Amino acid sequence: AQSVTQLGSHVSVSEGALVLLRCNYSSSVPPYLFWYVQYPNQGLQLLLKYTSAATLVKGINGFEAEFKKSETSFHLTKPSAHMSDAAEYFCAVLVGTSYDKVIFGPGTSLSVIP
Amino acid sequence: GAVVSQHPSRVICKSGTSVKIECRSLDFQATTMFWYRQFPKQSLMLMATSNEGSKATYEQGVEKDKFLINHASLTLSTLTVTSAHPEDSSFYICSAQPRTRSLPETQYFGPGTRLLVL
Repeated sequence: AQSVTQLGSHVSVSEGALVLLRCNYSSSVPPYLFWYVQYPNQGLQLLLKYTSAATLVKGINGFEAEFKKSETSFHLTKPSAHMSDAAEYFCAVLVGTSYDKVIFGPGTSLSVIP
Repeated sequence: GAVVSQHPSRVICKSGTSVKIECRSLDFQATTMFWYRQFPKQSLMLMATSNEGSKATYEQGVEKDKFLINHASLTLSTLTVTSAHPEDSSFYICSAQPRTRSLPETQYFGPGTRLLVL
């Protein structure tokens, strides 16, 4: 079964420092992967998605993620953290025989220290 | 583009009453909509998938008679929590998926509805 895991339920970085949020997937078929961000008491916003067109995916707000098949990873990075980046981040994988369901990872809470 | 709304954003009700939550895709047609439940500090759990004009498909462990889902049009799906109890208190989030015929099809999420059952 396809699934995603996120190492680190909570990550804390200083403002201006590199952000690295980890996501590993398990899939027997080429996966379709997503990163979503959730601000308190709000829905989810799509940051970026992997479609197999390119291994390095650029998203909104300066985030990017690199798909590494050999490591079964899709880690999210941002060169310089901003206070407004503090939120919950979810890695997700598209599953189902028709790729019609999204399974979310447990999430990583990002704190940015001024 | 790709905006999904939910109404109400927050609802408080008495135990035993029913609550209806609406999910609308504002600028696209969604043949498929999804309903999720999220407990505090936890991830989203898929409750059911609804396709316009057909019965919803519920995930294992979700009571279909308690969580009634109707997908009456290509822009509207409703979730009714029947005979709500305090344990139904949660954050309910819907998502809508436009039919693009190219993978991966992206889900767009509503802002969520906070339900508190007293």
